[in-house]
Amino acid sequence: DIQMTQSPASLSASLEEIVTITCQASQDIGNWLAWYQQKPGKSPQLLIYGATSLADGVPSRFSGSRSGTQYSLKISRLQVEDIGIYYCLQAYSAPYTFGAGTKLELK
Amino acid sequence: QVQLKESGPGLVQPSQTLSLTCTVSGFSLTSYHVHWVRQPPGKGLEWMGVMWSDGDTSYNSALKSRLSISRDTSKSQVFLKMSSLQTEDTATYYCARDLSPLMYTPYFDYWGQGVMVTVSS
Repeated sequence: DIQMTQSPASLSASLEEIVTITCQASQDIGNWLAWYQQKPGKSPQLLIYGATSLADGVPSRFSGSRSGTQYSLKISRLQVEDIGIYYCLQAYSAPYTFGAGTKLELK
Repeated sequence: QVQLKESGPGLVQPSQTLSLTCTVSGFSLTSYHVHWVRQPPGKGLEWMGVMWSDGDTSYNSALKSRLSISRDTSKSQVFLKMSSLQTEDTATYYCARDLSPLMYTPYFDYWGQGVMVTVSS
């Protein structure tokens, strides 16, 4: 199975700050990577797919990038509504595997 | 309007079989793939398996011996059955839709609200 190593596990940031979360794949997965946001008691919401494509309705302050087997999610100007847990997902091959998550809090 | 809704028992006894239903609306099961994902309390997400739009299935190898996914297209329902449940199977179970019709895009754009299942005697 492909392992996704996500970091950091938790992150505290201020409003308007730039936030970056990364996932390292255990092997080449091309651009088969998605990012999700999950708020307490809610289902995950798709933010980014294909490593860099913004899902419908997602604010443009969210962006995704790739460097080899390392993938990053960037929030350009943190807003209150961005607080939650973020997960990456490799969609290259089954079993599709998620990162362990990054809990984003306000400082 | 695309919707998915999971239903099933909230409590299952150890060693018993879990049966869940995902009822969808706003799209056809013959056009979109539907996945099952679970999340233990306070923990991360685990992909369980998928009902492909052509009726084929794929499973997480860690669960394959216990898991079965089927569907009734006339009722727009996808079913999950998992046997030999243990306490570590306690989780919220979600069904989720693939992003694009009839293509390989295992990104899940629409999710159900989830159903919490507790395995306990």
